[in-house]
Amino acid sequence: DTEVTQTPKHLVMGMTNKKSLKCEQHMGHRAMYWYKQKAKKPPELMFVYSYEKLSINESVPSRFSPECPNSSLLNLHLHALQPEDSALYLCASSQVTGRSYNSPLHFGNGTRLTVT
Amino acid sequence: QKEVEQNSGPLSVPEGAIASLNCTYSDRGSQSFFWYRQYSGKSPELIMFIYSNGDKEDGRFTAQLNKASQYVSLLIRDSQPSDSATYLCAVLSGSARQLTFGSGTQLTVLP
Repeated sequence: DTEVTQTPKHLVMGMTNKKSLKCEQHMGHRAMYWYKQKAKKPPELMFVYSYEKLSINESVPSRFSPECPNSSLLNLHLHALQPEDSALYLCASSQVTGRSYNSPLHFGNGTRLTVT
Repeated sequence: QKEVEQNSGPLSVPEGAIASLNCTYSDRGSQSFFWYRQYSGKSPELIMFIYSNGDKEDGRFTAQLNKASQYVSLLIRDSQPSDSATYLCAVLSGSARQLTFGSGTQLTVLP
């Protein structure tokens, strides 16, 4: 079982809906990530939080809004999504050592999102 | 040139054989290298990580790193049908502070 927990496992939403994806880890990691993965493609980085502060935003559209309420939780708020946003959304966490994020990423099981 | 390149496969090997997965990267300043296994519809699972030149062994898995040639490989000994999955190479570059994933190699182990 993964130590990074994501909910829900599946989500179907309309283009006018507002929903949130949730991620929780209790490994004491201080870096948390959101990735998006389309079928037969590698994960694409969306956001990185380090010590609860947003450190990387990979030019993600504003219809995706991340939030890190504390060191264990990471949310991704969704609003006015498009069908092409349908994908597997992965949360991950890692230790932060020095200036580099050189410790392995630990992924959650993902949320399968379908936008209709 | 892609930053991290893998043969997409599919790579097929018979059960019990050695599967060899290769990955090359473009940034000479890259520091850390990871192999993830991903079953269809599931999330990536960390298999190995390696930071120094040479070999690193863990059970049936061996990661090999050659920084001079800028490649990293994963060997799977005594391959089992349960090893059938997509294997993702991920590299932490010297300049970036996040992982860059290769496109993945699909491995099929035939019973």
